[in-house]
Amino acid sequence: EVQLVESGGGLVQPGRSLRLSCTASGFTFGDYAMSWVRQAPGKGLEWVGFVRSKAYGGTTEYAASVRGRFTISRDDSESIAYLQMNSLKTEDTAVYYCTRVNGIAVAGWVVDYWGQGTLVTVSS
Amino acid sequence: DIQMTQSPSSLSASVGDRVTITCRASQGIRNYLAWFQQKPGKAPKSLIYAASSLQSGVPSKFSGSGSGTDFTLTIDSLQPEDFATYYCQQYNTFPYTFGQGTKLEIK
Repeated sequence: EVQLVESGGGLVQPGRSLRLSCTASGFTFGDYAMSWVRQAPGKGLEWVGFVRSKAYGGTTEYAASVRGRFTISRDDSESIAYLQMNSLKTEDTAVYYCTRVNGIAVAGWVVDYWGQGTLVTVSS
Repeated sequence: DIQMTQSPSSLSASVGDRVTITCRASQGIRNYLAWFQQKPGKAPKSLIYAASSLQSGVPSKFSGSGSGTDFTLTIDSLQPEDFATYYCQQYNTFPYTFGQGTKLEIK
């Protein structure tokens, strides 16, 4: 059974940093891309960023709203994806979801599984 | 960035009804369109990818269609567990973008 468990959320002051972790199980982590999606309270879903598998260079993509402040990385030996968030702003307050991304021929990079999410609150 | 616009934003329907939700992209995205279902307080669930392919375990009452800029999600024979918010997402071009969501409520 595929499982994604996020951790590391909490209350943080504006301008500070926080690192989220996504621990995966039930599949060969290194074979898949991973992404992060967030949802501000009462709002819709916002794509945050994406890290390819090592087979595709392990490179990353980001939303403009977080580019330069957030960094996604992965540790395939531990089956963990990370979201390092620096220079946090009040508007970064959201539930952050980790997702598995499956590269499917002629169908692209497809999100198939979601974690339960972790809440990040940025407030003084 | 590619803008995704869903209509309607909210929809009231009865158990047993058939409903259709529309998603329009601001530019062509081939068939790189996914649909997700989210219930209150829960993580989203993946329903459809490549505009019309069902994710594993998703019942055939859900169907999707479209290509280019116009897409639809249809849900047959609504049951109480289907009342939720539905989101489309384009994954043709970075940054990937979501529609604003369609809240499906019981009439």
